[in-house]
Amino acid sequence: KQEVTQIPAALSVPEGENLVLNCSFTDSAIYNLQWFRQDPGKGLTSLLLIQSSQREQTSGRLNASLDKSSGRSTLYIAASQPGDSATYLCAVMNSGGSNYKLTFGKGTLLTVNP
Amino acid sequence: NAGVMQNPRHLVRRRGQEARLRCSPMKGHSHVYWYRQLPEEGLKFMVYLQKENIIDESGMPKERFSAEFPKEGPSILRIQQVVRGDSAAYFCASSTTSGASTDTQYFGPGTRLTVL
Repeated sequence: KQEVTQIPAALSVPEGENLVLNCSFTDSAIYNLQWFRQDPGKGLTSLLLIQSSQREQTSGRLNASLDKSSGRSTLYIAASQPGDSATYLCAVMNSGGSNYKLTFGKGTLLTVNP
Repeated sequence: NAGVMQNPRHLVRRRGQEARLRCSPMKGHSHVYWYRQLPEEGLKFMVYLQKENIIDESGMPKERFSAEFPKEGPSILRIQQVVRGDSAAYFCASSTTSGASTDTQYFGPGTRLTVL
């Protein structure tokens, strides 16, 4: 059974800092891995999707890496801004017969202080 | 192209009542997924539907919960005889296909159910 863990559970940084969020998963047989952003009372916004054959994806100030063999992914946020404050969720999609189910971590609550 | 729409956004029910949650997928999407987010927990898969078919309901509680995605109209998640433990945020997602490594599930804003 796939389990996804995110560390830290919460992070508070001053504006302008670079930061790293961590995600680990127990079953390396994944189809893809996604990072989402969730704002309070809102839905989820997909930030980056990394296919199992890829090592990283970049979008603007965000960079996500994937090491499938070790079951780890990181989300790097450069030059953080107060508008980055949100909960960041990591989710994996397993390969095999159920390659539509996303298994989520509990998230990292990020606060960027002005 | 409107995103995934869910209504109501907030729903309050008393114990024993029924809750009906609606989800309209993005235009052109024929795959719908429901997830539940309990307080302090991650999102958990509940059910995957295509038009008029339940593909996988392995994440649904065996009793009181049902889901449908009719030929016409939105997908409905129905919870009968709600209990306080059903209080959660229920998210719907949709996609154009299923099983493609590049396919993204697009999420709606969620329905926050509170059971008094």
